[in-house]
Amino acid sequence: DAGITQSPRYKITETGRQVTLMCHQTWSHSYMFWYRQDLGHGLRLIYYSAAADITDKGEVPDGYVVSRSKTENFPLTLESATRSQTSVYFCASRSHPTYEQYFGPGTRLTVT
Amino acid sequence: AQSVTQPDIHITVSEGASLELRCNYSYGATPYLFWYVQSPGQGLQLLLKYFSGDTLVQGIKGFEAEFKRSQSSFNLRKPSVHWSDAAEYFCAVVRRLHSGGSNYKLTFGKGTLLTVNP
Repeated sequence: DAGITQSPRYKITETGRQVTLMCHQTWSHSYMFWYRQDLGHGLRLIYYSAAADITDKGEVPDGYVVSRSKTENFPLTLESATRSQTSVYFCASRSHPTYEQYFGPGTRLTVT
Repeated sequence: AQSVTQPDIHITVSEGASLELRCNYSYGATPYLFWYVQSPGQGLQLLLKYFSGDTLVQGIKGFEAEFKRSQSSFNLRKPSVHWSDAAEYFCAVVRRLHSGGSNYKLTFGKGTLLTVNP
């Protein structure tokens, strides 16, 4: 009963490098989400996906790319990391037609 | 526009005392409301949810919340706090992602940090 997992849990990278954060869920939920959590801003939605091969922007998508070739995976890529992308990133999922989301443990990303 | 307001950034209570965390929402239609808890270094865990029906909802870990439409509030309560309840608590409301669209998102409040004194 793994639920929703994220990897890596901690990552330090340099400005300009590409980094990919992984998210995997075992529930076959149709919807998946990426959030970032920052002090003073709370949780903000980066991207979401309604199903495999269907993705759309959230509130703060700039600098991020997502894909969803399989229902269970939803990777988030920072194509050229910047210091402002230092944050804790959470992946979440929900089934349709419910609304409650279930969150992964998070990835703490530091961009130096 | 802010959809969810948690007026208290930080609350400290003694172990065994009662707890009430405030949440106010601004949303025209009947809202779908949630409370989540985040322990240090962890993800968010769903405590309870309100969709419709009985305005007093029970959740996990002995928590309950009451929906009051007249006050646009969904306050979280616990009669007796345990040291393990120390965490950050988030209220959230479901909103449409895009006007006229059919996809929905959770909009979160900024959170209330709960400290429990022994």
